[in-house]
Amino acid sequence: DAGVIQSPRHEVTEMGQEVTLRCKPISGHDYLFWYRQTMMRGLELLIYFNNNVPIDDSGMPEDRFSAKMPNASFSTLKIQPSEPRDSAVYFCASRQGQGRDTQYFGPGTRLTVL
Amino acid sequence: DAKTTQPPSMDCAEGRAANLPCNHSTISGNEYVYWYRQIHSQGPQYIIHGLKNNETNEMASLIITEDRKSSTLILPHATLRDTAVYYCIVVPGGSQGNLIFGKGTKLSVKP
Repeated sequence: DAGVIQSPRHEVTEMGQEVTLRCKPISGHDYLFWYRQTMMRGLELLIYFNNNVPIDDSGMPEDRFSAKMPNASFSTLKIQPSEPRDSAVYFCASRQGQGRDTQYFGPGTRLTVL
Repeated sequence: DAKTTQPPSMDCAEGRAANLPCNHSTISGNEYVYWYRQIHSQGPQYIIHGLKNNETNEMASLIITEDRKSSTLILPHATLRDTAVYYCIVVPGGSQGNLIFGKGTKLSVKP
């Protein structure tokens, strides 16, 4: 398996623009997680899905952020409109089953908002 | 908030064992100790986990004290590629298993 795939790997955009980050989880994994990492706040969980259904979005910073999982092999994280403080590395992770199973992380998308 | 305390940084000589401590004094009976690491510019990578018995796999060993209030991750023969931030995370056994990352320990392996 290719592991968790994220695209793009790097994104540079201007304030006010819409940004869409994409994730393909490992086949057969029924949990998908979105994280954000910054120097100030470290690695934070934004939202996670189980069987394509959002379970907990309490980490989503504000209404400008939205996430969808239209099917088991694809998820998006959208920021509209983007702001400079959204600059961070965004990671997607997937997991097979509940609880103690291992989470596998993608390589991340480095977002820079000018 | 993270339930663990780790030193912010450690150094280790290449080829020597790296022993990374973690304090989790408030851990409860059904909570597991997980270790992940993050090599620069990569996503976090699972290393090992345990409940109360010591564990070993191809990457590392995990030693948990009898009272379970602390643990040590051991990399038996550290290499330069082991330079990374190591995260100790406590996960409730009956939960969704979501990971709450603290600041971790930055391990620098030096030649």
